[in-house]
Amino acid sequence: GNSVTQMEGPVTLSEEAFLTINCTYTATGYPSLFWYVQYPGEGLQLLLKATKADDKGSNKGFEATYRKETTSFHLEKGSVQVSDSAVYFCALSFHSWGKFQFGAGTQVVVTP
Amino acid sequence: KAGVTQTPRYLIKTRGQQVTLSCSPISGHRSVSWYQQTPGQGLQFLFEYFSETQRNKGNFPGRFSGRQFSNSRSEMNVSTLELGDSALYLCASSSGQGLQETQYFGPGTRLLVL
Repeated sequence: GNSVTQMEGPVTLSEEAFLTINCTYTATGYPSLFWYVQYPGEGLQLLLKATKADDKGSNKGFEATYRKETTSFHLEKGSVQVSDSAVYFCALSFHSWGKFQFGAGTQVVVTP
Repeated sequence: KAGVTQTPRYLIKTRGQQVTLSCSPISGHRSVSWYQQTPGQGLQFLFEYFSETQRNKGNFPGRFSGRQFSNSRSEMNVSTLELGDSALYLCASSSGQGLQETQYFGPGTRLLVL
């Protein structure tokens, strides 16, 4: 079946550091790929998405590129802020009404 | 446009009781999905409703059920609560027109079973 694997956290960074969160997926076709962010005590917020190979999603300084050849969708940000501290989830959607397959989530802690 | 709303935000129940959670989707959205989030199992899909019909279902026991009303609002019911049902329950909405659409999540209902 379909699955998503994310790097384990927590990832601890200093403010203005470069952030990368690795995400790889297993799916037989061409899923849509998403990154969601969850702040403490809240639901999931869509960060960015890509629907086909080589698409780049971007939002709020975050970027991720859909790489079909490596089945990856790594999240990057060039300069993190304390406010970026949250849990980040990689997810895929493939031929299933309303059903997303989520990774385990990666906690990111940014210190001043 | 108002986002997805869920009520109540917090609930405490005891084993054996039942609980009903409510979700109001974004205006115009006709699909509502439900997820259970726990530290051990992560985010797991429960079911999806579109136009009052369940279109998709995850791998949960029959104690977990749902329904959707004509205004697209949805409820989820858990009967005979177990300690392991303690979780954050999230609902998400979308237009329901495409198989791989973006879903928009509510803030969740945190259920504690004692």
